[in-house]
Amino acid sequence: RKEVEQDPGPFNVPEGATVAFNCTYSNSASQSFFWYRQDCRKEPKLLMSVYSSGNEDGRFTAQLNRASQYISLLIRDSKLSDSATYLCVASNTGGFKTIFGAGTRLFVKA
Amino acid sequence: DADVTQTPRNRITKTGKRIMLECSQTKGHDRMYWYRQDPGLGLRLIYYSFDVKDINKGEISDGYSVSRQAQAKFSLSLESAIPNQTALYFCATSDGQANQPQHFGDGTRLSIL
Repeated sequence: RKEVEQDPGPFNVPEGATVAFNCTYSNSASQSFFWYRQDCRKEPKLLMSVYSSGNEDGRFTAQLNRASQYISLLIRDSKLSDSATYLCVASNTGGFKTIFGAGTRLFVKA
Repeated sequence: DADVTQTPRNRITKTGKRIMLECSQTKGHDRMYWYRQDPGLGLRLIYYSFDVKDINKGEISDGYSVSRQAQAKFSLSLESAIPNQTALYFCATSDGQANQPQHFGDGTRLSIL
Protein backbone atom coordinates (compact mmCIF):
# COMPACT_ATOMS: atom_id res chain seq x y z
CA ARG A 1 0.00 0.00 0.00
CA LYS A 2 1.31 3.43 -0.93
CA GLU A 3 1.87 5.83 1.96
CA VAL A 4 -0.12 8.55 0.21
CA GLU A 5 -2.83 7.42 -2.14
CA GLN A 6 -4.82 9.43 -4.63
CA ASP A 7 -7.33 8.56 -7.31
CA PRO A 8 -5.25 8.95 -10.50
CA GLY A 9 -8.25 10.10 -12.52
CA PRO A 10 -8.44 11.62 -14.99
CA PHE A 11 -11.33 13.78 -13.93
CA ASN A 12 -13.04 15.38 -16.92
CA VAL A 13 -15.35 18.24 -15.93
CA PRO A 14 -17.00 21.16 -17.71
CA GLU A 15 -16.15 24.74 -16.92
CA GLY A 16 -18.01 25.95 -13.87
CA ALA A 17 -18.24 22.54 -12.26
CA THR A 18 -17.25 21.72 -8.71
CA VAL A 19 -14.72 18.94 -8.38
CA ALA A 20 -13.39 17.17 -5.30
CA PHE A 21 -10.12 15.27 -4.92
CA ASN A 22 -9.47 12.85 -2.10
CA CYS A 23 -6.26 11.61 -0.60
CA THR A 24 -5.47 9.14 2.16
CA TYR A 25 -2.23 8.77 4.09
CA SER A 26 -1.07 5.78 6.08
CA ASN A 27 1.53 7.30 8.43
CA SER A 28 -0.26 8.46 11.56
CA ALA A 29 2.85 10.48 12.48
CA SER A 30 2.23 12.83 9.56
CA GLN A 31 1.73 16.37 10.80
CA SER A 32 1.90 18.67 7.78
CA PHE A 33 -0.18 18.40 4.66
CA PHE A 34 -0.16 20.25 1.37
CA TRP A 35 -1.73 20.31 -2.06
CA TYR A 36 0.49 21.03 -5.04
CA ARG A 37 -0.43 21.69 -8.63
CA GLN A 38 1.72 20.38 -11.48
CA ASP A 39 1.31 21.32 -15.12
CA CYS A 40 2.53 18.91 -17.76
CA ARG A 41 6.33 18.59 -17.70
CA LYS A 42 6.64 21.47 -15.24
CA GLU A 43 7.63 21.65 -11.60
CA PRO A 44 5.11 21.11 -8.80
CA LYS A 45 3.91 24.38 -7.32
CA LEU A 46 2.41 24.81 -3.88
CA LEU A 47 -1.33 25.36 -4.11
CA MET A 48 -2.15 25.45 -0.43
CA SER A 49 -1.30 24.07 2.96
CA VAL A 50 -3.95 22.01 4.73
CA TYR A 51 -4.86 22.79 8.32
CA SER A 52 -6.89 20.79 10.81
CA SER A 53 -9.54 23.49 10.88
CA GLY A 54 -9.83 23.47 7.11
CA ASN A 55 -8.84 26.39 4.96
CA GLU A 56 -10.05 28.22 1.91
CA ASP A 57 -8.27 30.25 -0.74
CA GLY A 58 -10.64 31.71 -3.27
CA ARG A 59 -12.24 28.85 -5.19
CA PHE A 60 -10.14 26.24 -3.40
CA THR A 61 -10.99 24.59 -0.09
CA ALA A 62 -8.83 22.03 1.69
CA GLN A 63 -9.93 19.78 4.53
CA LEU A 64 -8.08 17.42 6.84
CA ASN A 65 -9.58 14.56 8.81
CA ARG A 66 -6.90 13.18 11.11
CA ALA A 67 -9.08 10.44 12.53
CA SER A 68 -9.66 8.99 9.07
CA GLN A 69 -6.22 10.06 7.77
CA TYR A 70 -7.90 11.74 4.87
CA ILE A 71 -7.29 15.01 3.00
CA SER A 72 -9.50 16.63 0.43
CA LEU A 73 -9.36 19.47 -2.07
CA LEU A 74 -12.49 21.10 -3.45
CA ILE A 75 -12.37 23.32 -6.52
CA ARG A 76 -15.45 25.40 -7.18
CA ASP A 77 -16.36 27.11 -10.46
CA SER A 78 -13.66 25.25 -12.40
CA LYS A 79 -11.71 27.20 -15.01
CA LEU A 80 -9.92 25.90 -18.09
CA SER A 81 -6.71 27.03 -16.41
CA ASP A 82 -7.33 24.61 -13.53
CA SER A 83 -6.44 21.72 -15.84
CA ALA A 84 -3.38 20.14 -14.24
CA THR A 85 -2.30 17.30 -11.98
CA TYR A 86 -2.94 17.81 -8.26
CA LEU A 87 -0.51 16.24 -5.81
CA CYS A 88 -1.32 15.47 -2.19
CA VAL A 89 1.59 15.63 0.27
CA ALA A 90 2.02 14.38 3.84
CA SER A 91 5.04 15.18 5.99
CA ASN A 92 6.04 14.20 9.50
CA THR A 93 7.15 16.67 12.14
CA GLY A 94 10.51 18.11 11.20
CA GLY A 95 10.02 17.16 7.58
CA PHE A 96 12.23 14.09 7.77
CA LYS A 97 9.70 12.15 5.81
CA THR A 98 7.70 13.89 3.12
CA ILE A 99 5.66 11.71 0.82
CA PHE A 100 4.04 12.87 -2.40
CA GLY A 101 1.03 11.16 -3.86
CA ALA A 102 1.20 10.17 -7.52
CA GLY A 103 -1.33 12.87 -8.40
CA THR A 104 -4.84 13.23 -9.78
CA ARG A 105 -5.18 14.50 -13.31
CA LEU A 106 -7.90 17.12 -13.98
CA PHE A 107 -9.16 18.21 -17.38
CA VAL A 108 -11.57 21.14 -17.46
CA LYS A 109 -13.44 21.42 -20.75
CA ALA A 110 -15.11 24.43 -22.35
CA ASP B 1 15.09 35.05 -11.76
CA ALA B 2 13.99 31.73 -10.39
CA ASP B 3 14.53 31.10 -6.68
CA VAL B 4 15.58 27.50 -7.33
CA THR B 5 17.66 26.99 -10.48
CA GLN B 6 18.56 23.67 -12.02
CA THR B 7 21.14 23.06 -14.71
CA PRO B 8 21.05 21.63 -17.28
CA ARG B 9 17.36 21.77 -18.20
CA ASN B 10 17.71 18.90 -20.64
CA ARG B 11 20.42 16.31 -21.14
CA ILE B 12 20.80 13.33 -23.42
CA THR B 13 23.71 11.04 -22.74
CA LYS B 14 24.91 7.48 -23.15
CA THR B 15 24.96 4.53 -20.81
CA GLY B 16 28.04 4.49 -18.59
CA LYS B 17 28.66 8.23 -18.64
CA ARG B 18 29.06 10.26 -15.47
CA ILE B 19 26.52 13.04 -15.16
CA MET B 20 26.13 15.89 -12.71
CA LEU B 21 22.95 17.84 -12.19
CA GLU B 22 23.27 21.09 -10.33
CA CYS B 23 20.90 23.01 -8.16
CA SER B 24 21.29 26.46 -6.66
CA GLN B 25 18.87 28.52 -4.62
CA THR B 26 18.49 32.11 -3.54
CA LYS B 27 15.76 31.46 -0.97
CA GLY B 28 18.17 31.14 1.93
CA HIS B 29 16.71 27.75 2.85
CA ASP B 30 18.74 25.25 4.83
CA ARG B 31 17.04 22.15 3.45
CA MET B 32 17.52 20.83 -0.06
CA TYR B 33 16.21 17.73 -1.81
CA TRP B 34 16.59 15.77 -5.02
CA TYR B 35 13.65 13.86 -6.50
CA ARG B 36 13.00 11.93 -9.64
CA GLN B 37 9.61 11.70 -11.29
CA ASP B 38 8.47 8.87 -13.51
CA PRO B 39 5.03 8.55 -15.11
CA GLY B 40 2.56 6.91 -12.76
CA LEU B 41 5.02 6.76 -9.86
CA GLY B 42 4.97 10.32 -8.66
CA LEU B 43 7.93 12.01 -7.02
CA ARG B 44 10.47 9.79 -5.31
CA LEU B 45 13.12 11.15 -2.97
CA ILE B 46 16.73 10.37 -3.89
CA TYR B 47 18.72 12.35 -1.31
CA TYR B 48 18.15 15.21 1.07
CA SER B 49 20.30 17.59 3.10
CA PHE B 50 19.20 19.62 6.08
CA ASP B 51 22.37 21.69 6.21
CA VAL B 52 25.82 21.83 4.64
CA LYS B 53 27.24 18.98 6.72
CA ASP B 54 24.15 16.81 6.57
CA ILE B 55 23.44 14.29 3.79
CA ASN B 56 20.76 11.62 3.96
CA LYS B 57 19.63 8.87 1.64
CA GLY B 58 16.10 8.90 0.42
CA GLU B 59 13.87 6.19 -0.97
CA ILE B 60 15.92 5.46 -4.10
CA SER B 61 19.55 6.50 -3.54
CA ASP B 62 21.26 3.54 -5.26
CA GLY B 63 23.21 4.66 -8.31
CA TYR B 64 23.25 8.29 -7.18
CA SER B 65 25.48 10.49 -5.04
CA VAL B 66 25.19 14.08 -3.89
CA SER B 67 27.34 16.95 -2.72
CA ARG B 68 26.23 19.94 -0.66
CA GLN B 69 28.90 22.45 -1.61
CA ALA B 70 27.31 25.37 0.20
CA GLN B 71 24.01 26.30 1.74
CA ALA B 72 22.83 27.41 -1.67
CA LYS B 73 24.16 24.53 -3.78
CA PHE B 74 23.27 20.86 -3.93
CA SER B 75 24.42 18.68 -6.81
CA LEU B 76 23.33 15.20 -7.86
CA SER B 77 25.66 12.81 -9.65
CA LEU B 78 25.04 9.65 -11.61
CA GLU B 79 28.41 7.92 -11.52
CA SER B 80 27.64 5.51 -14.36
CA ALA B 81 24.32 6.29 -15.97
CA ILE B 82 21.95 3.50 -17.00
CA PRO B 83 18.79 3.74 -19.13
CA ASN B 84 16.37 3.22 -16.23
CA GLN B 85 17.65 6.47 -14.74
CA THR B 86 15.91 8.27 -17.57
CA ALA B 87 13.46 10.55 -15.78
CA LEU B 88 12.54 14.08 -14.84
CA TYR B 89 14.67 15.26 -11.92
CA PHE B 90 13.65 17.99 -9.51
CA CYS B 91 15.55 19.86 -6.87
CA ALA B 92 13.56 21.36 -4.00
CA THR B 93 14.24 23.50 -0.95
CA SER B 94 12.44 24.21 2.28
CA ASP B 95 12.85 26.39 5.32
CA GLY B 96 14.23 24.68 8.41
CA GLN B 97 11.22 25.53 10.52
CA ALA B 98 8.59 22.90 11.12
CA ASN B 99 5.69 22.33 8.75
CA GLN B 100 7.08 24.32 5.83
CA PRO B 101 6.36 23.33 2.23
CA GLN B 102 8.98 22.53 -0.37
CA HIS B 103 9.72 24.77 -3.35
CA PHE B 104 10.83 23.21 -6.62
CA GLY B 105 13.20 24.08 -9.41
CA ASP B 106 12.15 23.86 -13.06
CA GLY B 107 13.44 20.32 -13.42
CA THR B 108 16.04 18.52 -15.53
CA ARG B 109 14.86 16.16 -18.22
CA LEU B 110 17.47 13.41 -18.45
CA SER B 111 17.55 10.77 -21.17
CA ILE B 112 20.08 7.95 -21.09
CA LEU B 113 20.48 5.97 -24.28
